[in-house]
Amino acid sequence: DTGVSQNPRHKITKRGQNVTFRCDPISEHNRLYWYRQTLGQGPEFLTYFQNEAQLEKSRLLSDRFSAERPKGSFSTLEIQRTEQGDSAMYLCASSDRDIVGTQYFGPGTRLLVL
Amino acid sequence: AQKVTQAQTEISVVEKEDVTLDCVYETRDTTYYLFWYKQPPSGELVFLIRRNSFDEQNEISGRYSWNFQKSTSSFNFTITASQVVDSAVYFCALSEGDFGNEKLTFGTGTRLTIIP
Repeated sequence: DTGVSQNPRHKITKRGQNVTFRCDPISEHNRLYWYRQTLGQGPEFLTYFQNEAQLEKSRLLSDRFSAERPKGSFSTLEIQRTEQGDSAMYLCASSDRDIVGTQYFGPGTRLLVL
Repeated sequence: AQKVTQAQTEISVVEKEDVTLDCVYETRDTTYYLFWYKQPPSGELVFLIRRNSFDEQNEISGRYSWNFQKSTSSFNFTITASQVVDSAVYFCALSEGDFGNEKLTFGTGTRLTIIP
């Protein structure tokens, strides 16, 4: 039974570049969530999907951020024109809506924007 | 709007002592779920417990126990006979709705250090 996986685990980029992260949820889970965590803070909700439908987006998700889950399986989170303030840990979680849905988290992608 | 407050930023105790981590929440919903997660130095959030708003029974799991009190909007977590492996950041979280699988609102976390 594999858990949630995220790639890459670490990403260093220069300001202004685009980056894309991938999340593979637990196979039978139909909900997928993205959170962002900065140093010393709790994770903050960004967006979530049920299958391929994006159900909610936080106002934290500026126009530079876009998330997709095209086939209802893996998801990608893209940040365009990165800024230093985007440096954070990006966490993905999944849950099964058909039973009480505890969210299980992946290891995260740590982004550093220079 | 939902909110979770963990007033204790850092706690240090000597190994084998008991320690309680506090969590206070705010919500307008009558149906909601509360969670505790552990984040060890490796960084991955590990699920510990889920409790729904209709179940105020305390729960014990080994050295861990949880006290849910709706009257004070608190969901506190106690570790008995602490061990060095318990050192981590602990987050309390809230999800409104019927299934506990809507977005999570996290507190700022409590960093627990167990001194050998």
